[in-house]
Amino acid sequence: DAGVIQSPRHEVTEMGQEVTLRCKPISGHDYLFWYRQTMMRGLELLIYFNNNVPIDDSGMPEDRFSAKMPNASFSTLKIQPSEPRDSAVYFCAVRVSYNEQFFGPGTRLTVL
Amino acid sequence: QQPVQSPQAVILREGEDAVINCSSSKALYSVHWYRQKHGEAPVFLMILLKGGEQKGHEKISASFNEKKQQSSLYLTASQLSYSGTYFCGTSNRDDKIIFGKGTRLHILP
Repeated sequence: DAGVIQSPRHEVTEMGQEVTLRCKPISGHDYLFWYRQTMMRGLELLIYFNNNVPIDDSGMPEDRFSAKMPNASFSTLKIQPSEPRDSAVYFCAVRVSYNEQFFGPGTRLTVL
Repeated sequence: QQPVQSPQAVILREGEDAVINCSSSKALYSVHWYRQKHGEAPVFLMILLKGGEQKGHEKISASFNEKKQQSSLYLTASQLSYSGTYFCGTSNRDDKIIFGKGTRLHILP
C-alpha cells in the first residue's frame, strides 16, 4: 500500500533560519516528487527523483533550496536561509503506478 | 508551461452539473485530474492518455482533445462530497506533471 509520512506537519520559523522538511514513503517507490503550494502560484513541482537520483530540479526557486534522497525511503528538502516568501504548504508525492501520484499530508511552513 | 484552468471557481447546488476546462499551449501526451479537499492533500481522480479519450470516476468523467490540447472534467448530479479544488496536470512523455492553478468547486445543499 502506498503511504507517505511528512514531518513536521507544521513549522513556524523566523526569517534567516534553516528549515528541513522530511518525507518518508511507507515502502520504497522509484519516483519521488516535491511540490510547493501557494494561493498565488498553485501547485508547483520543485524537484523529482528517480531511484534516489535527482532528475529535474528546474522548479527549485533558487540556491537557497536543496533536496536529497539518500535512500528509497527518505528524502529531505532544505531551505537555508528561509524567507517569508517561502511560506507555503510543501508536499511530497510518490508514483504508485504509471503517472499516478500519491501525495503525503504536507508540511505547512510559515516564515516570519 | 502551466496549463490554464477555467473557471477559477464554481458554486453549485447539489444535483447540478459542472464542467471544468483545462488548456495547454504545448502539445500534450497525457492529462491528469486531481481533487483536493480543504486542508488535505490532492488525490488522484483519473489520467487520460489518448486523444478523444473519455474516462469516468463515480459521476465524474473527463475528455481529452489532443488536437486542441484541451481537457474537460464533467461533474454530473453533483454531491456535497464533490466540493474541493480540482487540478488538471499535463505531461509530455516524461515523468513529471505540471499542474494548473486549480478550480474551486463549492456545492451547496
